[in-house]
Amino acid sequence: DIVMTQSPDSLAVSLGERATINCKSSQSVLYSSNNKNYLAWYQQKPGQPPKLLIYWASTRESGVPDRFSGSGSGTDFTLTISSLQAEDVAVYYCQQYYSTPPLYTFGQGTKLEIK
Amino acid sequence: QLQLQESGPGLVKPSETLSLTCTVSGGSISSSSYYWGWIRQPPGKGLEWIGSIYYSGSTYYNPSLKSRVTISVDTSKNQFSLKLSSVTAADTAVYYCARLYETYYMDVWGKGTTVTVSS
Repeated sequence: DIVMTQSPDSLAVSLGERATINCKSSQSVLYSSNNKNYLAWYQQKPGQPPKLLIYWASTRESGVPDRFSGSGSGTDFTLTISSLQAEDVAVYYCQQYYSTPPLYTFGQGTKLEIK
Repeated sequence: QLQLQESGPGLVKPSETLSLTCTVSGGSISSSSYYWGWIRQPPGKGLEWIGSIYYSGSTYYNPSLKSRVTISVDTSKNQFSLKLSSVTAADTAVYYCARLYETYYMDVWGKGTTVTVSS
């Protein structure tokens, strides 16, 4: 199984400041034939289902504010919120979809709070 | 707008079978671009993929649960279902159904349903 490890486990950032969440996979999730990283990011607010933010490591889902961005390749990835808003308080998960046959695995989650 | 809704008993006894259904509305479960999946989240914990199904009936299961899981699809009702046998307290969780773009990311989620395993 591909193990996904996020850091930090929790993070407190002031409103308007940058928040950075890291995700590391135990093996590369870059598919060489198409040069795509098989990695997604989700946001989960309390009492709600996860919401897709980013796929292919850096493609923003429709309707997601542009303050959210994803970067990285291979085994190391980052989710950045450029200017934290109050509504961004949530737990964020990374997920790989590289495995064949499919065996989707998630990071343990990073809890983002307001400082 | 596509919506997914989980339904089923909220309480299951140990050793029995958990059965849930996901009803898809606002779109067809028979779309060629999508798989349909089940994901669960124990209280206060992270997300675990259970398995996925294509409208043709092709399935993928998490090896850690494979011996106890069956996922099926009913295209006439626009539904897919989860059965998890021999449940224990460790299977207590919020169960989500979701749409997967091909075999990739989960782009639409149901609101989730809480299942408690207890006598």
